[in-house]
Amino acid sequence: NAGVTQTPKFQVLKTGQSMTLQCAQDMNHNSMYWYRQDPGMGLRLIYYSASEGTTDKGEVPNGYNVSRLNKREFSLRLESAAPSQTSVYFCASSEREGGSQRQTQYFGPGTRLLVL
Amino acid sequence: QQQVKQSPQSLIVQKGGIPIINCAYENTAFDYFPWYQQFPGKGPALLIAIRPDVSEKKEGRFTISFNKSAKQFSLHIMDSQPGDSATYFCAATGSGSARQLTFGSGTQLTVLP
Repeated sequence: NAGVTQTPKFQVLKTGQSMTLQCAQDMNHNSMYWYRQDPGMGLRLIYYSASEGTTDKGEVPNGYNVSRLNKREFSLRLESAAPSQTSVYFCASSEREGGSQRQTQYFGPGTRLLVL
Repeated sequence: QQQVKQSPQSLIVQKGGIPIINCAYENTAFDYFPWYQQFPGKGPALLIAIRPDVSEKKEGRFTISFNKSAKQFSLHIMDSQPGDSATYFCAATGSGSARQLTFGSGTQLTVLP
């Protein structure tokens, strides 16, 4: 199992350009998430998808859109990139374990995005 | 709005020392408190987690202490090693269809040889 994979690993954009970050998981998880990580800010949730066909806003959704393409894939799109979107983006997936509170999130390796 | 406050921001200890990282939360609906470990260039990975009905949990050299009344929890690393040098995030989650996590701001731990 590859777990959670993300592409690309690194990207440089100019202000105003658009791009899509791809994420796929092979663990048959229902829930998927997109986070951004900035120094001193921890990980902040951008969007999440509780199950195939549903998406919801997280803490910092402005400037982003998402698509839950199928159970495996969850993409993040920047329509018009801004320097404030320079960050490291992580995708994660999870599944509730046996009806308990335990729901481990498994993270991908991240995409480093620089917007000039 | 930061619902999980983490301190310190950075921590340097000697090998064998016991670093302690503290977190405090506000939302009493949180019912699961995991800690994640992140090495440079990698995604975070679950280290250890605790439920609020337990005051302490140990897994190997890692211990979580939980104080429900104070709404605080902490991570202790016994006999710390240079390989433990990483960024540590506390987190909390509550009810909700996806049980999304709220993360603390992270602690960069350096264990000197």
